Amino acid sequence: EAGVTQSPTHLIKTRGQQATLRCSPISGHTSVYWYQQALGLGLQFLLWYDEGEERNRGNFPPRFSGRQFPNYSSELNVNALELEDSALYLCASSLGFQGLAGVGELFFGEGSRLTVL
Amino acid sequence: KQEVTQIPAALSVPEGENLVLNCSFTDSAIYNLQWFRQDPGKGLTSLLLIQSSQREQTSGRLNASLDKSSGRSTLYIAASQPGDSATYLCAVRRVNDYKLSFGAGTTVTVRA
Repeated sequence: EAGVTQSPTHLIKTRGQQATLRCSPISGHTSVYWYQQALGLGLQFLLWYDEGEERNRGNFPPRFSGRQFPNYSSELNVNALELEDSALYLCASSLGFQGLAGVGELFFGEGSRLTVL
Repeated sequence: KQEVTQIPAALSVPEGENLVLNCSFTDSAIYNLQWFRQDPGKGLTSLLLIQSSQREQTSGRLNASLDKSSGRSTLYIAASQPGDSATYLCAVRRVNDYKLSFGAGTTVTVRA
């Protein structure tokens, strides 16, 4: 069974540009989470989507946005890139509110490394 | 706000020694607690999930305990191997809040 897949693996942008990162959850999972892991810092929660809706949002500016598609895949957009946006962006998925077996366990992808020059 | 702390930040042990990794959290109203492993530059691998009603979980050489009332969890790794070298992260999910709060991790080095 395929795990959480993320693309691209690496992305290089310049300041002011926009970046789009993609995530495909494990089959059957309806919740998708996005986390940022900057060098030397811990995992910071960005966004949580479930059944196509944004359920929760971390303390990030509005230029970080995303969406979840009907097939439960998700996209993270970062506008007006700044140097400090350079980080590993991790996507995770889990069963949503309706899942009973293994409710709450998160499974992560390998991440997308964004470098802003 | 849930604060998650992991001590020590780094640990170096000789091969064969048992590892003890600690995680503490400030809000005891948790839904579950999850331990992860992260290799450098990689994603997170789920190791163990403990629901709030459970006291411990075991998988192979790994055993994790949970003491919700004192806000603590401990991950034990028996008979450590060089392949166990990685950063171990603890994450806690509060009741009715599906956002996981992560600790900063413990970086483990197992010397051959």
